[in-house]
Amino acid sequence: DAKTTQPPSMDCAEGRAANLPCNHSTISGNEYVYWYRQIHSQGPQYIIHGLKNNETNEMASLIITEDRKSSTLILPHATLRDTAVYYCIVPRKAGGTSYGKLTFGQGTILTVHP
Amino acid sequence: NAGVMQNPRHLVRRRGQEARLRCSPMKGHSHVYWYRQLPEEGLKFMVYLQKENIIDESGMPKERFSAEFPKEGPSILRIQQVVRGDSAAYFCASSERTGSEEQYFGPGTRLTVT
Repeated sequence: DAKTTQPPSMDCAEGRAANLPCNHSTISGNEYVYWYRQIHSQGPQYIIHGLKNNETNEMASLIITEDRKSSTLILPHATLRDTAVYYCIVPRKAGGTSYGKLTFGQGTILTVHP
Repeated sequence: NAGVMQNPRHLVRRRGQEARLRCSPMKGHSHVYWYRQLPEEGLKFMVYLQKENIIDESGMPKERFSAEFPKEGPSILRIQQVVRGDSAAYFCASSERTGSEEQYFGPGTRLTVT
């Protein structure tokens, strides 16, 4: 997978927006950015993914810079239940083929406090 | 709409015994992935299977570990002659499309080897 860099931890007040950054400067033109999270002791949860346009779903928004070297996951109104480890993943593609192998790094521990 | 199901949720085995972990993918999903999370470590890909086929087993230990996804029934991850180092959380994920990075995870099986 393309190397990603995330801050090890972040704090956010309940009800405020949580903005989680990710650097992926070696990303290739056909590689997507995926975000997952893992709440303590649970299985990882898919959040969102994108290629170059901003994306939004019921969970979050994904903002990808024009040069695609970084992105930001936005939780618009964080709740205590959003406390989790958030992973930014850029799966490597070879010849346009997707392999489905996710590589989880250390991620960002987001703590939402009252 | 049931999600990915894994059983058992907790499994205790003595050294030398066999462990069998089961995974039923989401309805309509025919692609299954297994990941392992060792204590205080990140998630690591183990194997990717389609019905009756192993597509990518690059993350599987060479000995004692095997996986299958038969035409009927759940996917099985089998660990023979377990050792203490096999103690971990084992997560199964499924996807609708071939080799998709949009995967939906189960709650995991926590294996403890005594």
